[in-house]
This record gives sequence, C-alpha cells and structure tokens, in this order.
Amino acid sequence: NAGVMQNPRHLVRRRGQEARLRCSPMKGHSHVYWYRQLPEEGLKFMVYLQKENIIDESGMPKERFSAEFPKEGPSILRIQQVVRGDSAAYFCASSPPEVSNEKLFFGSGTQLSVL
Amino acid sequence: GESVGLHLPTLSVQEGDNSIINCAYSNSASDYFIWYKQESGKGPQFIIDIRSNMDKRQGQRVTVLLNKTVKHLSLQIAATQPGDSAVYFCAENIRAGGGADGLTFGKGTHLIIQP
Repeated sequence: NAGVMQNPRHLVRRRGQEARLRCSPMKGHSHVYWYRQLPEEGLKFMVYLQKENIIDESGMPKERFSAEFPKEGPSILRIQQVVRGDSAAYFCASSPPEVSNEKLFFGSGTQLSVL
Repeated sequence: GESVGLHLPTLSVQEGDNSIINCAYSNSASDYFIWYKQESGKGPQFIIDIRSNMDKRQGQRVTVLLNKTVKHLSLQIAATQPGDSAVYFCAENIRAGGGADGLTFGKGTHLIIQP
C-alpha cells in the first residue's frame, strides 16, 4: 500500500515563474491537506480539500496560491509568479473519509527553491 | 516545546536513557492531540495520538501524557536509540472528527541521541 506520493521532490524556479506541486493521497483516502514548512519551524496549515471541493483554505495566501483536488488525478498546489519568500518545503497529507483533521499521513514533501 | 526565536529547542540524551519532550498547547477547546517525528529531509511520521477524555496513552516504547489543567502534553520515549534522533512535533485539533481549521502544529523539539 503506497503512502502519500508527492512530486517533484525538488523544484527550482526563477522569480516570476509558476510552481506546480502534485500530491497523490494514500489509496482509499479522500481528504488532502497542504502544509508549508520553513527551516527550523513547524508546519503551517494551508488548505484542506476533498474531491472537487475546497473545505478550508484559511491558511492560503490570498494571492498567487491556489489548490485543487479533481475527481481524477492528483491534488495540485499552484503558486503563480513565485517570489523568494515562497522557498520552503511543502508537505501534503491525506486521511480516510471517515476521519478528518486527525491522524494525517504525510508525504515526503516538495522542496521549492526560488532563485 | 515552545521555542523562542528561530532555533528549535534541543534535547540531548544518552543512548538507552528515557526522553521526555514537552509541549504546551494554547486552546482549552482542543480535543485531540498527536505527536509526529520528522527526520531530516523527510515528511512527518505519526507516533501516537490521544483524545482529551484520556490522560495517558501508551504505544511501543512511547507514552503520551495529557494534563488539561495546565494545557500540557508530553511524549516519553523509553530506552532511546540512535534512530530516535529527529525533530518531534506536537499538534492539536480543536474539532476532532470532521472539523475544519486543520491540525495546528507546535514549533518542534530537536532530540539528539548521544552514544
């Protein structure tokens, strides 16, 4: 049973470019969460999605950031016109449909570096 | 588990000794708590969780203690091994089982095991 899969593992972008981070939840999980982590800090909640629905995006910056979890395919976190401050590790987590916001299973993360 | 400034608090223990990692949580309405372990370059890994109607829960070599009076959570690791070296995060959820907001993570404690 594969765990939460994130790709790419590392992503390098120049300022102004777009970054797309992908996350495939564990098999049977229908809830996806995105978190951001800066060096030497904890994880900051960004967004919580179910299939085709954004449940809570209270942690997402209002501009340039968007997330989706389509009926088919992985969840995508999209950052437009990246700036150096977007450099961070972005983690995706998933949970089964009967439980949300409890025991989350995390992927290995995408390290975004903005030059 | 509270940290000041940019540096994670660090706990250094001898291999074979017991470790106790502490965490203060902020919201008295939180009803679910969880501990994660994060090794360098990896995603957080579930260790153990506890609901607010319990004071103590035991796993394999780990025990979580919850003191709701002073809003304090601790993780005890028995007979620490080199593989226990990691950053440990506590997290809380105000509304377990379907609430929004996401798990709220503390800033982490870096556990170092000395031979």
